[in-house]
Amino acid sequence: DTAVSQTPKYLVTQMGNDKSIKCEQNLGHDTMYWYKQDSKKFLKIMFSYNNKELIINETVPNRFSPKSPDKAHLNLHINSLELGDSAVYFCASSQDVAGPYEQYFGPGTRLTVT
Amino acid sequence: QKEVEQDPGPLSVPEGAIVSLNCTYSNSAFQYFMWYRQYSRKGPELLMYTYSSGNKEDGRFTAQVDKSSKYISLFIRDSQPSDSATYLCAMSAKAAGNKLTFGGGTRVLVKP
Repeated sequence: DTAVSQTPKYLVTQMGNDKSIKCEQNLGHDTMYWYKQDSKKFLKIMFSYNNKELIINETVPNRFSPKSPDKAHLNLHINSLELGDSAVYFCASSQDVAGPYEQYFGPGTRLTVT
Repeated sequence: QKEVEQDPGPLSVPEGAIVSLNCTYSNSAFQYFMWYRQYSRKGPELLMYTYSSGNKEDGRFTAQVDKSSKYISLFIRDSQPSDSATYLCAMSAKAAGNKLTFGGGTRVLVKP
């Protein structure tokens, strides 16, 4: 029974395309996150939502837009994909934002832009 | 210069050896310190969590924090091949709540 799940696991697409990654957590957590991990394993936070409200928005291009339809889901839409967007994107969730609480990570979505 | 620095390795040790990992940081506001383990092609999972300075032990794992030196360490005793993974340090400031800043990770290989 997966706690934090992401789809798809792999995504290969061409420059200029638009794509979405979906994330769902069944832990009953209030807070969800998107992270980007580059080829050097450096993991950097992109966005954080608490109960469907955006609370962290790091310096991320406007081409990236998160959407939280409910507190169990946080999707990431990327417009006009660029080569530099190739990375592994991780979704995570935690009990609350007041923290720090343990963050539970999904398995990642490996995005390759050609 | 990154806020959190971590030697990328790889660190190769024989089975049974002590693995020593460390991170340095520049932000004196960091008060919460964590170590995550990440197996290949998997998401990170929390190993250890410490608040402020001091030591914490959990089984074969010991985490140390020295805030005066802005230096944290993780020791793995009696290392096993199953400990082969990338270890990421992460930290946050009290005011920032759950916003974690990660190091780049150290790849560890324990050889049988």
